Amino acid sequence: DAKTTQPPSMDCAEGRAANLPCNHSTISGNEYVYWYRQIHSQGPQYIIHGLKNNETNEMASLIITEDRKSSTLILPHATLRDTAVYYCILALISNFGNEKLTFGTGTRLTIIP
Amino acid sequence: NAGVTQTPKFQVLKTGQSMTLQCAQDMNHEYMSWYRQDPGMGLRLIHYSVGAGITDQGEVPNGYNVSRSTTEDFPLRLLSAAPSQTSVYFCASSYSAGTSFMGYTFGSGTRLTVV
Repeated sequence: DAKTTQPPSMDCAEGRAANLPCNHSTISGNEYVYWYRQIHSQGPQYIIHGLKNNETNEMASLIITEDRKSSTLILPHATLRDTAVYYCILALISNFGNEKLTFGTGTRLTIIP
Repeated sequence: NAGVTQTPKFQVLKTGQSMTLQCAQDMNHEYMSWYRQDPGMGLRLIHYSVGAGITDQGEVPNGYNVSRSTTEDFPLRLLSAAPSQTSVYFCASSYSAGTSFMGYTFGSGTRLTVV
């Protein structure tokens, strides 16, 4: 699996947009970009994923550059509950339709009151 | 819906003992996976299943067995526990809708200590 590079930690003020970068310069054409987060020691929570186009859902937006070598997860109005470790993951959809995730060490995002 | 339920939440084993970590989901998801998370690290895939009767190995399968006799259950068996298997274990499930993959729902984890 191709690797991703994320900053180890970031701070963001409460109410502001949190922009989490991810570099994946060796991404292959059929690899999806996934974002998960892990709050404290809970199980990871799926946020969003995309292949080429920008994506938005009720939690976040995912911006993927045209060359697909990097992406940014945007939490539009960060709250204290968004404090977590955020994982950017590349994965293929298998012939069975599932994806096998390879987690890195992620970015620890701290929302500051 | 209970989602993904893992039992037990905590377990202490002695080296050489065997045990089964239970995972059940009530969402009729076809895909299920087991991950382990060591301190300060990301999750690593142990085994996964794409449906009843179909399982495959992940990144770190040694020392673990799985089976999937029903859609709902995906137990993880530790054959002979070793201190290196001290970790937090997460079970996850998901499904696909046509060409869209829905992302995994994770359980709350089982914290295993092998002494």
